[in-house]
Amino acid sequence: DVKVTQSSRYLVKRTGEKVFLECVQDMDHENMFWYRQDPGLGLRLIYFSYDVKMKEKGDIPEGYSVSREKKERFSLILESASTNQTSMYLCASSVDRGYGYTFGSGTRLTVV
Amino acid sequence: GQQVMQIPQYQHVQEGEDFTTYCNSSTTLSNIQWYKQRPGGHPVFLIQLVKSGEVKKQKRLTFQFGEAKKNSSLHITATQTTDVGTYFCHSGGYQKVTFGTGTKLQVIP
Repeated sequence: DVKVTQSSRYLVKRTGEKVFLECVQDMDHENMFWYRQDPGLGLRLIYFSYDVKMKEKGDIPEGYSVSREKKERFSLILESASTNQTSMYLCASSVDRGYGYTFGSGTRLTVV
Repeated sequence: GQQVMQIPQYQHVQEGEDFTTYCNSSTTLSNIQWYKQRPGGHPVFLIQLVKSGEVKKQKRLTFQFGEAKKNSSLHITATQTTDVGTYFCHSGGYQKVTFGTGTKLQVIP
């Protein structure tokens, strides 16, 4: 089975801190995604990547950036964390466009 | 991105009753994917439909893709408490389509 591993299950950070959320997949998938999930708002796409060193903005990229230096790793960066970025962050990967996603277990980030 | 609308938002059913959730798009979709997220868990891929009018079954779950490829449904026959969770639809591919907001299913034993 494909495994998508997110580095932390729970994270508490202070306002203004730079935050790194790491995601690693072990099945050589081309595509990787970062979503945030909030009650009543469903899953919202932050950034995605279809290849190493490439990235595309999703629906809510403001306040975030990403890095994909290696195929298996996709990092989400909060440049200066704010309380409205408190959320569940989910990383996903898929073998190609149009294929089902495998999600990681999620990182629940609290910004205080 | 384009949005797929899901209804209902919530559904409570007695164990043993059937359940259906619907996913609708204003534009033609290349495919439709269904996911299940258990409480406290992460979304898990269930199935993908690609062809117009396609119907697929997984045990008590029946998935349909509309003839016009603009809507889809997930039907659960004789729900069990293990079916509790939120069901999401999504369309992958080259279109940038968001996930539906999901249907949260509660099963009353």
